[in-house]
Amino acid sequence: GDSVTQMEGPVTLSEEAFLTINCTYTATGYPSLFWYVQYPGEGLQLLLKATKADDKGSNKGFEATYRKETTSFHLEKGSVQVSDSAVYFCALSDLGGSTLTFGKGTMLLVSP
Amino acid sequence: DTEVTQTPKHLVMGMTNKKSLKCEQHMGHRAMYWYKQKAKKPPELMFVYSYEKLSINESVPSRFSPECPNSSLLNLHLHALQPEDSALYLCASSQYSGGDTGELFFGEGSRLTVL
Repeated sequence: GDSVTQMEGPVTLSEEAFLTINCTYTATGYPSLFWYVQYPGEGLQLLLKATKADDKGSNKGFEATYRKETTSFHLEKGSVQVSDSAVYFCALSDLGGSTLTFGKGTMLLVSP
Repeated sequence: DTEVTQTPKHLVMGMTNKKSLKCEQHMGHRAMYWYKQKAKKPPELMFVYSYEKLSINESVPSRFSPECPNSSLLNLHLHALQPEDSALYLCASSQYSGGDTGELFFGEGSRLTVL
């Protein structure tokens, strides 16, 4: 079945540091890929998405590129802010499935 | 309007109580979802409604009873819950269900505490 693996957290960074959160997936078809963010005490918000190989999703300074050859969708940001502290979930939606498959989530803690 | 609205935001109930969680969306989406999320875990799918019909029930205990009165509303009726059911309950919607689901829009959740 489909699965998503993301790096264990927490990831602890200082403000303005570079961020990478790794995400790899297993899927039988050609999935769409997503990063969702969950701020403390809130629901999930879509951060960015990519629907086909080599697509780059971007939003709020975050980027992720759909790499079919490495089955990866790593999240990057050049300069993190304290307000980026949250839990980040990588997810996929496959033509063979009916809903999203989530990774376990990675907590990001950014200190001033 | 790209919001999914959930009420109440917080609910405390005893094990013998009957309560309901409500969810509303006005984006014209035809698929609606209930997820359960425990602390520091990803959301777990409970139910999917597609075109107002229950299409997925992920072996959820019968003390949770979903209802979709119309295409904009989704309820989750709660009865005889256990303390381990305490969690954040998230409602979501998407334009379609089945095949490539695409983007899910989530509400802020209802935080349930069972005493």
